Amino acid sequence: ETGVTQTPRHLVMGMTNKKSLKCEQHLGHNAMYWYKQSAKKPLELMFVYNFKEQTENNSVPSRFSPECPNSSHLFLHLHTLQPEDSALYLCASSQDEGSYEQYFGPGTRLTVT
Amino acid sequence: QKEVEQNSGPLSVPEGAIASLNCTYSDRGSQSFFWYRQYSGKSPELIMFIYSNGDKEDGRFTAQLNKASQYVSLLIRDSQPSDSATYLCAVNRGFKTIFGAGTRLFVKA
Repeated sequence: ETGVTQTPRHLVMGMTNKKSLKCEQHLGHNAMYWYKQSAKKPLELMFVYNFKEQTENNSVPSRFSPECPNSSHLFLHLHTLQPEDSALYLCASSQDEGSYEQYFGPGTRLTVT
Repeated sequence: QKEVEQNSGPLSVPEGAIASLNCTYSDRGSQSFFWYRQYSGKSPELIMFIYSNGDKEDGRFTAQLNKASQYVSLLIRDSQPSDSATYLCAVNRGFKTIFGAGTRLFVKA
């Protein structure tokens, strides 16, 4: 596979469930990102990892927990979510953190019921 | 004031016309500027980036940057119905990239 992949593509979960989103990049990049995209709102940066180290946590609630075991893989663990967390969750990668273009995965459409 | 501002649109242009999309940003220290295209239900796709004042052309697309006025624009020449999408302006400030909310473009056949 090439580029940035995300699984699952769609997820429906209850407020008491625990689930995880997975992202994998095949570009040899060092930086990976999680974004949230809600309807008619700008992309919201959630987390940034550079060389597996978290460099940004944009005041994200603790019910979202990221994990980056290596530069190619990024997870977002979800628990006790709220209906307002329903959104498109996008993973992206770039050569390094900073002034580089980012490449996005297809996203996971999350619905919290 | 939003860090990156775009007119939400929709901007409607006839096929073959020039579409002009504008973006302003608040941080004078911003260094890199990007335009992404996002089709409905899809993820953003990079189409242009620009670092220096002036124009940068790539096929039918031209990005324009004016750091003194803190704006960046995207011109699409010979617009096609397939260009209908939301265009996101992104501005890099240090290690953080800030996205605008996007301008929806509709090209009428």
